[in-house]
Amino acid sequence: KQEVTQIPAALSVPEGENLVLNCSFTDSAIYNLQWFRQDPGKGLTSLLLIQSSQREQTSGRLNASLDKSSGRSTLYIAASQPGDSATYLCAVVGAAGNKLTFGGGTRVLVKP
Amino acid sequence: DAGVIQSPRHEVTEMGQEVTLRCKPISGHNSLFWYRQTMMRGLELLIYFNNNVPIDDSGMPEDRFSAKMPNASFSTLKIQPSEPRDSAVYFCASSRDSTSGSPLHFGNGTRLTVT
Repeated sequence: KQEVTQIPAALSVPEGENLVLNCSFTDSAIYNLQWFRQDPGKGLTSLLLIQSSQREQTSGRLNASLDKSSGRSTLYIAASQPGDSATYLCAVVGAAGNKLTFGGGTRVLVKP
Repeated sequence: DAGVIQSPRHEVTEMGQEVTLRCKPISGHNSLFWYRQTMMRGLELLIYFNNNVPIDDSGMPEDRFSAKMPNASFSTLKIQPSEPRDSAVYFCASSRDSTSGSPLHFGNGTRLTVT
């Protein structure tokens, strides 16, 4: 059974610092990995999707890497801003089908 | 596009009552998912549909839970009878197709409180 872990559970940084969020998964047989952002009281917003054949994806200040063999992904957010404060979740789609398995999330606070 | 639309946003009900949560996926999306989010368990997949057909309902916790998708633009999740431990935020999500390369789009959720 696939298990997805995100450490740390919470992170606080001063504005302008780069953010590094980690995600690990136990079964390397995945189709893709997605990073989401969740604001309080809201649903999840898809940030980046990395196919299993890719090693990274970039969108603006966000960059996500994928190392399938070691079961790890990292989300980098450059020059963090207070508006980046949210919970970030990673999720993997296993080889068995279309189901996403989510990590517990990392709650990020960027202090002005 | 309005995105995935869920109703109601909040639902407070007494134990034993029937609860119906509603979802309208993004037009043109063929896959629909129901998730439940709690502090203790995080996000759990309850059931998902491809082209209105339930594909995997192994996450549905008990027979008290049922889900339907009568057409491509509407789905319901029903809990009957409801119990306090069902209190959670229930999310509906949709994706463009059944392949694994489509990102998931979430609604804003229904916060259910069962007293």
